[in-house]
Amino acid sequence: DTGVSQNPRHKITKRGQNVTFRCDPISEHNRLYWYRQTLGQGPEFLTYFQNEAQLEKSRLLSDRFSAERPKGSFSTLEIQRTEQGDSAMYLCASTKDSGYTGELFFGEGSRLTVL
Amino acid sequence: GENVEQHPSTLSVQEGDSAVIKCTYSDSASNYFPWYKQELGKRPQLIIDIRSNVGEKKDQRIAVTLNKTAKHFSLHITETQPEDSAVYFCAASRGSSASKIIFGSGTRLSIRP
Repeated sequence: DTGVSQNPRHKITKRGQNVTFRCDPISEHNRLYWYRQTLGQGPEFLTYFQNEAQLEKSRLLSDRFSAERPKGSFSTLEIQRTEQGDSAMYLCASTKDSGYTGELFFGEGSRLTVL
Repeated sequence: GENVEQHPSTLSVQEGDSAVIKCTYSDSASNYFPWYKQELGKRPQLIIDIRSNVGEKKDQRIAVTLNKTAKHFSLHITETQPEDSAVYFCAASRGSSASKIIFGSGTRLSIRP
């Protein structure tokens, strides 16, 4: 499977714990996005990378959220001191930089449940 | 900040009829407008997109129209079929090499047999 891969697919944690999600984009894609989706809502932008550079982070994102893409390939999204409001589907998407914005290829998502 | 508003949130149409979903955007620099379809339990997938140098684009039964002056764009699905039942998201982006993509809140489309 050469699509976008996300792990773990499901994570249940207790409030206050840290969690980390991993995204492996399509190999030739140099742009990577993280979104959060709650039931009945559209994907909410969190952050995105061009190669290893994090270009923008949502102002809605608290300091408990951090994302990295150290070698310009896979990315991790860490949530520290989780809260019940963090429960959501975390979607990763990648695309190839062709000089303009194009189609996003989404992973299947990582569902987080904070108890 | 950038915002994309989408309506209606739910839409039910008779099979064979047309469906229209509308979106407005706030960032006047936006020039790329994709539409994604998300079936239950699946990932969003691009179904059609339009750039601001055109006013309309068609692909078989789906079409998108863009009014840059009014900052709104619409998705039109004709001759709806049961497999069109899904959640549809509009989105907007500045379209340049490094641009985030902002999504609307989605429209749940149901096709009645």
